[in-house]
Amino acid sequence: QKEVEQDPGPLSVPEGAIVSLNCTYSNSAFQYFMWYRQYSRKGPELLMYTYSSGNKEDGRFTAQVDKSSKYISLFIRDSQPSDSATYLCAMSEVTGNQFYFGTGTSLTVIP
Amino acid sequence: DAGVIQSPRHEVTEMGQEVTLRCKPISGHNSLFWYRQTMMRGLELLIYFNNNVPIDDSGMPEDRFSAKMPNASFSTLKIQPSEPRDSAVYFCASRPSGLPSYGYTFGSGTRLTVV
Repeated sequence: QKEVEQDPGPLSVPEGAIVSLNCTYSNSAFQYFMWYRQYSRKGPELLMYTYSSGNKEDGRFTAQVDKSSKYISLFIRDSQPSDSATYLCAMSEVTGNQFYFGTGTSLTVIP
Repeated sequence: DAGVIQSPRHEVTEMGQEVTLRCKPISGHNSLFWYRQTMMRGLELLIYFNNNVPIDDSGMPEDRFSAKMPNASFSTLKIQPSEPRDSAVYFCASRPSGLPSYGYTFGSGTRLTVV
């Protein structure tokens, strides 16, 4: 079993829709939870991170962590065509230098 | 800051040839990571360095792969001999010391095709 599981999609939604992206994990020592966005033929870039449980909001993006269920989510409100990309979740222990990545979910927002 | 710089951007080589990928991390970042990305397996960590010292190379597929970091501003990943199954995008990433919240900064990757 991989440390981090992520549905690869692809996911296709109309512009303006609410998008929900999810990951599950098995290592209860993970404390930092991150979302990366990767545009085609580019390297992943850090979108946002959350420490431990709870929610974090940044503009149209909301990250949620449920440690009891070992489940994290990224919500995108009012999705835009420019949000079309692959979204990867990543996780780390508090003292860990290594991040564990999901395989990524491909999202297309149709104008 | 120019970010993490990788070269070449694209590499096409014949099976059996030696391939060398290069990376310049962000100045001041003391951890460097080499990843391989494929559609089937996603991002796989190959090796990472702390302060130029290899810490974990358990992800290196086999002896055909080797990596070096001779100084804080340069690292190489070498494949010798290359095989078609090595075709993938290879990313280098760096991060500063401290909390994981600092995240990684990835380069733009090297797209390797072995024919």
